[in-house]
Amino acid sequence: GENVEQHPSTLSVQEGDSAVIKCTYSDSASNYFPWYKQELGKRPQLIIDIRSNVGEKKDQRIAVTLNKTAKHFSLHITETQPEDSAVYFCAASNGDSNYQLIWGAGTKLIIKP
Amino acid sequence: NAGVTQTPKFQVLKTGQSMTLQCAQDMNHEYMSWYRQDPGMGLRLIHYSVGAGITDQGEVPNGYNVSRSTTEDFPLRLLSAAPSQTSVYFCASSRQGSTDTQYFGPGTRLTVL
Repeated sequence: GENVEQHPSTLSVQEGDSAVIKCTYSDSASNYFPWYKQELGKRPQLIIDIRSNVGEKKDQRIAVTLNKTAKHFSLHITETQPEDSAVYFCAASNGDSNYQLIWGAGTKLIIKP
Repeated sequence: NAGVTQTPKFQVLKTGQSMTLQCAQDMNHEYMSWYRQDPGMGLRLIHYSVGAGITDQGEVPNGYNVSRSTTEDFPLRLLSAAPSQTSVYFCASSRQGSTDTQYFGPGTRLTVL
């Protein structure tokens, strides 16, 4: 089955700098890759997703890139702000299943003022 | 719309006790799922349902039962609680499967002594 690895586990960046979080997956049949943000004590919320027929997707300061050959995808946050501090989770569909997501272990992003 | 609701928010059980975690959504979503979240392990799928009367197992189903008698409700039953089931439990729903935006409930923090 699918396995998702996420790095780093903790990332500390200066406010205004960029942050990059990377995930690798094992099943070449996976076709959906979302990113969720979870603030302390809150529920996870989708921030951006990408499907296997697209290489890059942007939404304001957030972008996701997908490299199907290398089986990895990355979250890029530019011009980081204090409100970006949270835990970020990547996920991948379990093969070509439409019914299961396999999640990374999470990255705690700390924005230093 | 209330979105996805979960009760209770907190629960303490003794080993061997049983209980039901409640989950309801008012968005007419077909797909509902239960996750557990443990430190350093991301989210792991316990069970999911693609519609009323249809349920299936996820990654970590042992010790849990589910049923889906209506579109709105998807309760999770712990049959005989064990300390290994101490976790935060999230219910989620989406229009169609896991390759769609997942809307999470606020979570239930369960401690088994």
